[in-house]
Amino acid sequence: GAGVSQSPRYKVAKRGQDVALRCDPISGHVSLFWYQQALGQGPEFLTYFQNEAQLDKSGLPSDRFFAERPEGSVSTLKIQRTQQEDSAVYLCASSLAMQGDTGELFFGEGSRLTVL
Amino acid sequence: DQQVKQNSPSLSVQEGRISILNCDYTNSMFDYFLWYKKYPAEGPTFLISISSIKDKNEDGRFTVFLNKSAKHLSLHIVPSQPGDSAVYFCAASYGGSQGNLIFGKGTKLSVKP
Repeated sequence: GAGVSQSPRYKVAKRGQDVALRCDPISGHVSLFWYQQALGQGPEFLTYFQNEAQLDKSGLPSDRFFAERPEGSVSTLKIQRTQQEDSAVYLCASSLAMQGDTGELFFGEGSRLTVL
Repeated sequence: DQQVKQNSPSLSVQEGRISILNCDYTNSMFDYFLWYKKYPAEGPTFLISISSIKDKNEDGRFTVFLNKSAKHLSLHIVPSQPGDSAVYFCAASYGGSQGNLIFGKGTKLSVKP
């Protein structure tokens, strides 16, 4: 597809369950970002990849959160032992620019995670 | 502490009139500012941006104004159209990078026919 694709769009998990969220960025986009958007809030930065290298993971809220982009294309955000406070929309964005350049971020539709 | 603040959670405007959305920031290191628009169940889409070396940037019906001394920016939409009804997020970044965008909480704009 032409845009950033995320799956699943909706995920309901029981507390303590592990989840994996997938992001397929726009082809050729070097930079990939994950953001977390809680209800009524703006998106908050989680982590950033330049190709396969995770250059910034300062926004990951705990060591239960792990992201990877092994081949510099598709990325997976994994949340282990989910807690209710993890309930949010997880947004993936990609950009043609490398960090340090100004470039538009293209966001996917998000994966809405609900932890019961 | 919120570094980017959008103090109006909602705004209602009549079609054809001007919409003004405001954003304040606290960090003087920010040098690049963006506005994103979000429809329900969709991801945010880029609308317009401005570098701190400018005080105005215009794109069609959309104009962003930056007042660095006041640490304030605003988005003007003229004329407003019903299709502009969405949540608008203000965002800022350091050092030219768009990676670590800091977003405000958003303002929900409703344009009434």
